[in-house]
Amino acid sequence: SQKIEQNSEALNIQEGKTATLTCNYTNYSPAYLQWYRQDPGRGPVFLLLIRENEKEKRKERLKVTFDTTLKQSLFHITASQPADSATYLCALENNNDMRFGAGTRLTVKP
Amino acid sequence: EAEVAQSPRYKITEKSQAVAFWCDPISGHATLYWYRQILGQGPELLVQFQDESVVDDSQLPKDRFSAERLKGVDSTLKIQPAELGDSAMYLCASSPRDGNSYNEQFFGPGTRLTVL
Repeated sequence: SQKIEQNSEALNIQEGKTATLTCNYTNYSPAYLQWYRQDPGRGPVFLLLIRENEKEKRKERLKVTFDTTLKQSLFHITASQPADSATYLCALENNNDMRFGAGTRLTVKP
Repeated sequence: EAEVAQSPRYKITEKSQAVAFWCDPISGHATLYWYRQILGQGPELLVQFQDESVVDDSQLPKDRFSAERLKGVDSTLKIQPAELGDSAMYLCASSPRDGNSYNEQFFGPGTRLTVL
């Protein structure tokens, strides 16, 4: 069956460090992958989109990689800040089939 | 900045009652999605509309859930009768996606449903 796994439920890091979140999938061939941020009690907010033929995408302090051979995406936040604390969701889609991972809760400590 | 509107924000109901949620997408967005998110899990797609047509409702429990988008603008999701397991956040999202182009989804604030 199709499965999307995001690394560990929670990730705690020190301010200024780089946070790396993982999204692995099996039995799925996404045409593209998205990353969203979700704060408690609120809807997800779009961060980045990367297509299957792209290896890397950057936006300010954010970087996403997409390896279709490993079936994995890595999401990096450099120079992390306490304001980056939130749950981060990866989402995969192919032919109108949209699926989200369970998310990783990131806490950045001052 | 345009936003997706949802109402109500919170709903408490007793099991076997009917509930309805409303969503107004960003103007001009052809695609509208309804998701259910259980605490600690990712959003699960219930139904996807392209204009007024259903594109995907394979995960919608059709014995009790229904969704419509009559004029291709706002949408209503209904549950009748509600069950204890329906307690969750119901999220609406819209996207300017048209045809095969892929775009980000804009989410509303959600409706938190509690079934007692």
